[in-house]
Amino acid sequence: DIQMTQSPSSLSASVGDRVTITCRTSQSISNSLNWYQQKPGKAPNLLIYGASSLQSGVPSRFSGSGSGTDFTLTISGLQPEDFATYYCQQSYSGLPSAFGQGTKVDIK
Amino acid sequence: QVQLVESGGGVVQPGRSLRLSCATSGFTFNHYGMHWVRQAPGKGLEWVAVIWHDGSKELYADSVKGRFTVSRDDSKNTLYLQMNSLRGEDTALYYCARDVGPKFYILNPWGQGTLVTVSS
Repeated sequence: DIQMTQSPSSLSASVGDRVTITCRTSQSISNSLNWYQQKPGKAPNLLIYGASSLQSGVPSRFSGSGSGTDFTLTISGLQPEDFATYYCQQSYSGLPSAFGQGTKVDIK
Repeated sequence: QVQLVESGGGVVQPGRSLRLSCATSGFTFNHYGMHWVRQAPGKGLEWVAVIWHDGSKELYADSVKGRFTVSRDDSKNTLYLQMNSLRGEDTALYYCARDVGPKFYILNPWGQGTLVTVSS
């Protein structure tokens, strides 16, 4: 099965900062990588799919990039409502799926 | 609107069984794959299982393979997770989530979860 390595596990940032979270997979998955946001006590919410496609309704300050084994989620201009935990997930065809370990973004 | 409502969680002894349900509405159930994802208290997300839109394929995480079975009843628009030989490490909030298509493995939306506690 495909192994996921997400980093960092946590970070502290200020409103307005640019934040970058990375996700690496143990084998190439083309662009089959998705990102989710989870706030405390809530179910996860899809942000980015197919490595770089923005889910409808998600603010444009969120962006994703990468292909193969290395992927990045960027938040350009962190807003108060963005303090949450973020997860990557591989969706490579026909294989069991998996999530990264998560990155908690909190207020500096 | 699309709704997913999990039920069936509770406290169960190690080695026993439990069946979770996910009742859905607001979409054509048999057009979509369905997933189970769990989250142990204070921990990250763990993908558990998927069943394709037509029920032709199921996949499981290694941690539950051989103990858990995912199924669907398209006449009731309901997803199930049969959990056997439960262990302490199965304690978690269990979410069901709809695939965005028949088998794309992109999860949207999610239910609110049902809590399973395995304890003697």
